Amino acid sequence: DAGVIQSPRHEVTEMGQEVTLRCKPISGHNSLFWYRQTMMRGLELLIYFNNNVPIDDSGMPEDRFSAKMPNASFSTLKIQPSEPRDSAVYFCATDGAYNEQFFGPGTRLTVL
Amino acid sequence: AQSVTQPDIHITVSEGASLELRCNYSYGATPYLFWYVQSPGQGLQLLLKYFSGDTLVQGIKGFEAEFKRSQSSFNLRKPSVHWSDAAEYFCAVGVTPGSQGNLIFGKGTKLSVKP
Repeated sequence: DAGVIQSPRHEVTEMGQEVTLRCKPISGHNSLFWYRQTMMRGLELLIYFNNNVPIDDSGMPEDRFSAKMPNASFSTLKIQPSEPRDSAVYFCATDGAYNEQFFGPGTRLTVL
Repeated sequence: AQSVTQPDIHITVSEGASLELRCNYSYGATPYLFWYVQSPGQGLQLLLKYFSGDTLVQGIKGFEAEFKRSQSSFNLRKPSVHWSDAAEYFCAVGVTPGSQGNLIFGKGTKLSVKP
């Protein structure tokens, strides 16, 4: 199994542009989590899905952020419009049998 | 509310020395507990987990952790640190054991290893 796959690995964009981050979870795992990591705020849970349904999106910072999971094998996190303060590493993770989570390699986003 | 505290932001140890990273949690029931490691530029990798049974759990890379209910602690240990262990370590608690729920992460402890 290739594990959690995220794309792109690095994204540099200009303020105001739309950014879409993609995640392919491990096959057969029912929950998917999106996190953001910064030096200042550490690791923050943005949203998580169970069986493709959003369960808790209270961590989504504002309406500029949206996430979808159209099927069990794909999820997106979109930022529109992007701002410099959105610069961070964004991780996707899927669940295991005992609540453990398996993380992808992350997408490093830089908004200029 | 559930919480995880890692009291040490940064620890430096000499290569070959023993290591203990502290983790305290606040949770009403028996928690599921985890330690993750993050090397620079990488995602988080699961080191070990506790969900029941023996309170001393073994993980990958020679790490172990001990669950102490009376102290609400789950400290990570390694008898002899290698330079490749330099990384950031995160403790986490599962807040809905047995079902799909999110984890509460500590702020992390950065480990530096001196030659």
